[in-house]
Amino acid sequence: ILNVEQSPQSLHVQEGDSTNFTCSFPSSNFYALHWYRWETAKSPEALFVMTLNGDEKKKGRISATLNTKEGYSYLYIKGSQPEDSATYLCASLGGGADGLTFGKGTHLIIQP
Amino acid sequence: GAVVSQHPSWVICKSGTSVKIECRSLDFQATTMFWYRQFPKQSLMLMATSNEGSKATYEQGVEKDKFLINHASLTLSTLTVTSAHPEDSSFYICSANPLAAIYEQYFGPGTRLTVT
Repeated sequence: ILNVEQSPQSLHVQEGDSTNFTCSFPSSNFYALHWYRWETAKSPEALFVMTLNGDEKKKGRISATLNTKEGYSYLYIKGSQPEDSATYLCASLGGGADGLTFGKGTHLIIQP
Repeated sequence: GAVVSQHPSWVICKSGTSVKIECRSLDFQATTMFWYRQFPKQSLMLMATSNEGSKATYEQGVEKDKFLINHASLTLSTLTVTSAHPEDSSFYICSANPLAAIYEQYFGPGTRLTVT
């Protein structure tokens, strides 16, 4: 995998349901994996930075896992709420670059 | 904490003019600042990396004479789009990497540039 890929591109979830989405990234020369939550007209909000294989991080109802050997990360949202509606961006840091390589994001809409 | 501001939030300019975008870290000092742009339905793409007091490093395909970056202090970087053309219309967003937090990047809210 040369690029960072996220799936699905968009997702409609009923309020109260749990959901998850995927980020695939190059596993060679890996340094870190970032998740951001981005609402329109606001700054992307940093959710997690993960570096170690097997890492699991949690922030309230949101959690993420990391597999650096196979190059994927999952983001989980438990008991979705309308305020969770946003675009979730995944970005990889690696390959000798200082900047992040982003996926196109997963656009999440929580339906009341 | 870790707030990054960006100004202006949107700008419309005529073809051939120059536009300056400012990126400030408000409550921390940043060793490095990054500039990204996003075209419709595409991902954020890194344009350049700038370190305070030194020349910016540009990604392949990004013209350094067209996109001038100045990183005058540990809290301010500016991007000037010179002789703007309609194809430069895009969403430009900066991020800042705090001192002693090498993996973290905090983003501004972005600038929507429209060149007519």
